[in-house]
Amino acid sequence: NAGVMQNPRHLVRRRGQEARLRCSPMKGHSHVYWYRQLPEEGLKFMVYLQKENIIDESGMPKERFSAEFPKEGPSILRIQQVVRGDSAAYFCASSPGPLAATDTQYFGPGTRLTVL
Amino acid sequence: GNSVTQMEGPVTLSEEAFLTINCTYTATGYPSLFWYVQYPGEGLQLLLKATKADDKGSNKGFEATYRKETTSFHLEKGSVQVSDSAVYFCALGYSGGGADGLTFGKGTHLIIQP
Repeated sequence: NAGVMQNPRHLVRRRGQEARLRCSPMKGHSHVYWYRQLPEEGLKFMVYLQKENIIDESGMPKERFSAEFPKEGPSILRIQQVVRGDSAAYFCASSPGPLAATDTQYFGPGTRLTVL
Repeated sequence: GNSVTQMEGPVTLSEEAFLTINCTYTATGYPSLFWYVQYPGEGLQLLLKATKADDKGSNKGFEATYRKETTSFHLEKGSVQVSDSAVYFCALGYSGGGADGLTFGKGTHLIIQP
């Protein structure tokens, strides 16, 4: 059973470009979470999605960031017009159920975004 | 809001030493508590968890007890190995209620020397 997959593992963008980060959850998981890890910081929750629905986006910046989890295919975290402050590691996690506290979240290896 | 505070790192120990990594939290209600471990270049892996007060989570020789009276969830291991070198994250989460994301501490980098 493959784990959570993220690609690319490393992404370099220039200021003003768009970044697209992909996450394929574990087989049988329909709940996806995105987290951002800034240098020397812990992970910060960004958004929680189920198939075709955004459930909680309370941690997502209001502008330039969007996320989707279509019926088919991976979840996408999209950052438009990137700035240097977006440089971070972005982690995706998935779980089989909707209860974050009682269901384990399984994390992917992360995408390290560098904005030049 | 909710928060998790961990001891600053790096923590450097010799092999077979006793390990304690402190974790305290601020939260409303009754969260569940977690320890995750991150090896270099990898994602986070769940190490152990406890879902209610006085529960003890344990795995791979690591233990942590959910202490509601001191709002703590300290990680301990009796005899560490070089392979335990990693970054350890304490986290809390809730069952439903819309607060579905985990709240993490900043992480503690553990270095075990042979």
